[in-house]
Amino acid sequence: DTAVSQTPKYLVTQMGNDKSIKCEQNLGHDTMYWYKQDSKKFLKIMFSYNNKELIINETVPNRFSPKSPDKAHLNLHINSLELGDSAVYFCASSQTAAVRSGNTIYFGEGSWLTVV
Amino acid sequence: DAKTTQPNSMESNEEEPVHLPCNHSTISGTDYIHWYRQLPSQGPEYVIHGLTSNVNNRMASLAIAEDRKSSTLILHRATLRDAAVYYCIYNYGQNFVFGPGTRLSVLP
Repeated sequence: DTAVSQTPKYLVTQMGNDKSIKCEQNLGHDTMYWYKQDSKKFLKIMFSYNNKELIINETVPNRFSPKSPDKAHLNLHINSLELGDSAVYFCASSQTAAVRSGNTIYFGEGSWLTVV
Repeated sequence: DAKTTQPNSMESNEEEPVHLPCNHSTISGTDYIHWYRQLPSQGPEYVIHGLTSNVNNRMASLAIAEDRKSSTLILHRATLRDAAVYYCIYNYGQNFVFGPGTRLSVLP
């Protein structure tokens, strides 16, 4: 079974549309993340949730809204898509939010979003 | 901004050892050093992490300098499947900050 699974894997959509990417982890972890990897391949954190509570919210347009219905799921909804939103979005999870303690982060396989 | 410095790219021959260096001169005494790698078209995957002592696992070894300002990831026998971008990171605030990493090419 895939530990961190996200859907869809590929998504092509037009500017102005609203889309969602779903993520589920079956590791029993408390913390989940969304990362964005742009065309230059830099991987940047967008959001982090711990037990359904938002703990990290980097400088991300408010068109991006994460939702965590339970600690095993963290979905990403994007409103009014723009060309610059084209990127690969990775969901991830870790046992706890205690990064300093040597936590390991498990990543999903990514969702390739192309806005045309 | 990433807090670590790595070479942009490195090459290795198959079956030979590879030493991937990383500088992290601003690391604090309680921060773990983590290494992840990203195979083409996949998400990053954990490789190894350590605090002060050298660490070994089935994938690699991690050699940490005594002053902890640098570390080296050692792949003992590179295979074609090890071709990937390798990230050396530690936490910044509440999360990891990934730099551009080192793109490792393995030549047959």
